[in-house]
Amino acid sequence: IAGITQAPTSQILAAGRRMTLRCTQDMRHNAMYWYRQDLGLGLRLIHYSNTAGTTGKGEVPDGYSVSRANTDDFPLTLASAVPSQTSVYFCASSDSPESTDTQYFGPGTRLTVL
Amino acid sequence: GQNIDQPTEMTATEGAIVQINCTYQTSGFNGLFWYQQHAGEAPTFLSYNVLDGLEEKGRFSSFLSRSKGYSYLLLKELQMKDSASYLCAVTSGDYKLSFGAGTTVTVRA
Repeated sequence: IAGITQAPTSQILAAGRRMTLRCTQDMRHNAMYWYRQDLGLGLRLIHYSNTAGTTGKGEVPDGYSVSRANTDDFPLTLASAVPSQTSVYFCASSDSPESTDTQYFGPGTRLTVL
Repeated sequence: GQNIDQPTEMTATEGAIVQINCTYQTSGFNGLFWYQQHAGEAPTFLSYNVLDGLEEKGRFSSFLSRSKGYSYLLLKELQMKDSASYLCAVTSGDYKLSFGAGTTVTVRA
């Protein structure tokens, strides 16, 4: 079944540890995105990639990094996790980076930083 | 930046109609999305409005007024499975989506 997969589903992490959240899509979409969702704040864009080999910063990029080595994969790395990064993280993709294009979301990763 | 407002919670009875309003202030507006998100799940696409007016899709309809910076999502013949959060999202000149905080709809029997 086509779509987006994320791993892990959930994770508890000690502060200061490094963590990579994985995202893979099989729809051959050009654009990919990482959001975090916090109660009362809605979805906020962390980083995005308009096409393989390029990345950009979203609304809340500090403490996170991404890479886009190929079309399918878009990992998100927390270099040194802090408790404020406790959140639910969603990866999304769209056929093009145009704002009129529908974004499709993965199932999310629930991350707790202690 | 974007400023997107929608009510936090709404409650309605099975079979009824509920209207979820969304107001926005943004530069370079391109269009407006509505997504549905069940608890613990991913957001899923419901509708996209770029022109003024009403778009109808079965039990769900979405309306947009660009001049007023206003949209609403209308859910008719409510079913228990419609209990979810509904997210209003605006697209702008930087080609990115900005989301409202979401409206949690609870459908009661």
